[in-house]
Amino acid sequence: DTGVSQDPRHKITKRGQNVTFRCDPISEHNRLYWYRQTLGQGPEFLTYFQNEAQLEKSRLLSDRFSAERPKGSFSTLEIQRTEQGDSAMYLCASSLVIPGKYEQYFGPGTRLTVT
Amino acid sequence: AQTVTQSQPEMSVQEAETVTLSCTYDTSESDYYLFWYKQPPSRQMILVIRQEAYKQQNATENRFSVNFQKAAKSFSLKISDSQLGDAAMYFCAYRSARSGTASKLTFGTGTRLQVTL
Repeated sequence: DTGVSQDPRHKITKRGQNVTFRCDPISEHNRLYWYRQTLGQGPEFLTYFQNEAQLEKSRLLSDRFSAERPKGSFSTLEIQRTEQGDSAMYLCASSLVIPGKYEQYFGPGTRLTVT
Repeated sequence: AQTVTQSQPEMSVQEAETVTLSCTYDTSESDYYLFWYKQPPSRQMILVIRQEAYKQQNATENRFSVNFQKAAKSFSLKISDSQLGDAAMYFCAYRSARSGTASKLTFGTGTRLQVTL
């Protein structure tokens, strides 16, 4: 069990560029979550997957954001036409949906800076 | 919608002393879970302790314990015998237990804990 990993850890991009982040959950975890954390705030829910199905998206997730989880394994989060307001830490978490098990395990995050 | 409030942006405690971090929440649900997560500087968030709302007994994990007051919608974290490694940002979080929900976490704004010698 190697934990949740995210890549890259840091990304600096210019406004208007597209960026893609990757999350590898703990193996066998069937739920995967994306959160966004801005400076001085707690993480805010963006979207989640159960296996390969994206079941809920927050209103925070504008049309410029898209997330996928092909084959129910790793997930990608893409931001198109980045804006300065997208600068934040993007956190991925995974969990196993069985009775009595409901903790979410977080990755180290990808820090995005849009200049 | 549920909300979580942490009214202490920063707290300080001396090594070996005890500190209590406050958290209140608002919900119309009767069944839910509450968590305290720790986020050390530049490191990933880890779970400190959890509490099921249907349990009256307060959760404990070694030096960490909670004071869960369901009627008051209060969920404070007590850290005993504080250590330098406890210095971090602490987040209180709420999760619905209702079936069919996303099980997403709703976080407070966090309390930064400093531990001094």
